[in-house]
Amino acid sequence: AQSVTQPDIHITVSEGASLELRCNYSYGATPYLFWYVQSPGQGLQLLLKYFSGDTLVQGIKGFEAEFKRSQSSFNLRKPSVHWSDAAEYFCAVGASSYSSASKIIFGSGTRLSIRP
Amino acid sequence: ETGVTQTPRHLVMGMTNKKSLKCEQHLGHNAMYWYKQSAKKPLELMFVYNFKEQTENNSVPSRFSPECPNSSHLFLHLHTLQPEDSALYLCASSQGRDVGYFGPGTRLTVL
Repeated sequence: AQSVTQPDIHITVSEGASLELRCNYSYGATPYLFWYVQSPGQGLQLLLKYFSGDTLVQGIKGFEAEFKRSQSSFNLRKPSVHWSDAAEYFCAVGASSYSSASKIIFGSGTRLSIRP
Repeated sequence: ETGVTQTPRHLVMGMTNKKSLKCEQHLGHNAMYWYKQSAKKPLELMFVYNFKEQTENNSVPSRFSPECPNSSHLFLHLHTLQPEDSALYLCASSQGRDVGYFGPGTRLTVL
């Protein structure tokens, strides 16, 4: 069965510092991997997604993520965080099929706080 | 409208009320989903529809009743809800490799 683990519940980093949010997944084949961000009271915004090809994926707002099959990981990074990056971040895993639905399973999220 | 839309965006209802949430996708997808996001709990997949047929029900109580009249529309009918059902309800759609499209959600409060 698909599953996603985000080991860090809450992370605090200083503004301007680099960021890495961890994500490990369990899936029987090559998964589709996603990172979403959610600000308080808002819906989900897709930051980036990986389907195949280059294992380093660029997303919006200066985020990137690297797929490492050997480690079953898809960690999210940003070289320099801004106060506006404070939010909840969700890693997710899904599958794709032309004949059936492609449900997405989410991790429990990592709350990011920014220290001025 | 583009993408996935949901109405209403906010809903307050009493435990004896009956209400419905609506989701519409403008992407030509064949699959649609309902997710629930409660405070302090992970996003939970509730229902999956593919080509209007329900393919998954993750042990959701019968007070939640989904309806998918066509591939573009998905409803969630609510009746005799409990306060613990207060949550953000998210709709999503997909087709093939076009995966991961979510609506803005409906914030539901049950009094």
